[in-house]
Amino acid sequence: DTGVSQDPRHKITKRGQNVTFRCDPISEHNRLYWYRQTLGQGPEFLTYFQNEAQLEKSRLLSDRFSAERPKGSFSTLEIQRTEQGDSAMYLCASSLAIGQGETQYFGPGTRLLVL
Amino acid sequence: GNSVTQMEGPVTLSEEAFLTINCTYTATGYPSLFWYVQYPGEGLQLLLKATKADDKGSNKGFEATYRKETTSFHLEKGSVQVSDSAVYFCARLNSGNTPLVFGKGTRLSVIA
Repeated sequence: DTGVSQDPRHKITKRGQNVTFRCDPISEHNRLYWYRQTLGQGPEFLTYFQNEAQLEKSRLLSDRFSAERPKGSFSTLEIQRTEQGDSAMYLCASSLAIGQGETQYFGPGTRLLVL
Repeated sequence: GNSVTQMEGPVTLSEEAFLTINCTYTATGYPSLFWYVQYPGEGLQLLLKATKADDKGSNKGFEATYRKETTSFHLEKGSVQVSDSAVYFCARLNSGNTPLVFGKGTRLSVIA
């Protein structure tokens, strides 16, 4: 198993453009999470899926953000009309839902810079 | 509210020094607690975890004990190495297994 992968690793875009990021979780993990990390801060939760169902969205996830996990495997995160404040590292994590204390495994992240 | 508080960094230590990074949490119920590490240019890696009171998580010489009475999960290592230089994040997961809540991270630099 190669772990959680994310693509692209880096993205530079101009303000107002749309961007899409992809996450491939560890195979057979049924939960997939998206987090955002800005400089000097810990990751902040954006949204998560159990299989193909989006179960929770943070208030950080404005209307310009949308995430999908159409077949319960990979997921995409799209940001429309990007703003400079969207510049951050976008992290994906996956886990296997068990009882107490499931472990989330993180990908390397996609670093977004909005000019 | 539900939060995780870590000691402010950066922390600079000499090789073989003793390390403590404090972490306290507030949460409803009985959360699971985690330490993740982020090496330069890499993603977050799980370092250790504990799922109930008095559990001790350990890995690579690091330890942390889940203290319910003080709502703490302090990270310790008896003798740090230069290769331990990284940012360390404390995190909690509520008993409903909702998303992780992270502290702000503590940057550790170990000098030879």
